[in-house]
Amino acid sequence: DAGITQSPRHKVTETGTPVTLRCHQTENHRYMYWYRQDPGHGLRLIHYSYGVKDTDKGEVSDGYSVSRSKTEDFLLTLESATSSQTSVYFCAISEAERGSYTDTQYFGPGTRLTVL
Amino acid sequence: GQSLEQPSEVTAVEGAIVQINCTYQTSGFYGLSWYQQHDGGAPTFLSYNALDGLEETGRFSSFLSRSDSYGYLLLQELQMKDSASYFCAVLNSGYSTLTFGKGTMLLVSP
Repeated sequence: DAGITQSPRHKVTETGTPVTLRCHQTENHRYMYWYRQDPGHGLRLIHYSYGVKDTDKGEVSDGYSVSRSKTEDFLLTLESATSSQTSVYFCAISEAERGSYTDTQYFGPGTRLTVL
Repeated sequence: GQSLEQPSEVTAVEGAIVQINCTYQTSGFYGLSWYQQHDGGAPTFLSYNALDGLEETGRFSSFLSRSDSYGYLLLQELQMKDSASYFCAVLNSGYSTLTFGKGTMLLVSP
């Protein structure tokens, strides 16, 4: 199994509070991703990173920011959490190069976030 | 943008063969992937088709037809442990990002 951990695994917070989720990898993979998963929507990409300090938006990036100061860590921040951000958040990693014709993503165990 | 359509649910019995279809509309992609997710777990990679045709990995096979904008995952000799959600995903051109379908829940009964 790829070495990916997420913390916390569960979190309950209140509307308007900031929340930071952490993804940590031990594989030294270049690409890291944050997804959210909601019933009826599958997995949707929030943000991704293709290197230290290199990040880009996914399809559902509004209300989220990310940072990657080290290869092994990718942080997802909800600046002011809303109930619509209640979801399961998955981190993933990939060793593919930009524009690669092949790709396998390895997913972390997920973080269940509830915003009341 | 990219959009993928899959059936929401498929049911089958142990030992049978089941096919999960995926149709897509894309502005360009490198290939089609399939991921499995058991309830409460993380998605795991199953298969990838870069070229048209059939890819076989044990009991699982995946097929891609770019001319038909269509792919499928074929599961043979179904086992109870195959009960899970299955997602197709396109690898987007120029970037190492995936766009996923909404998933198909496979229920295998005895």
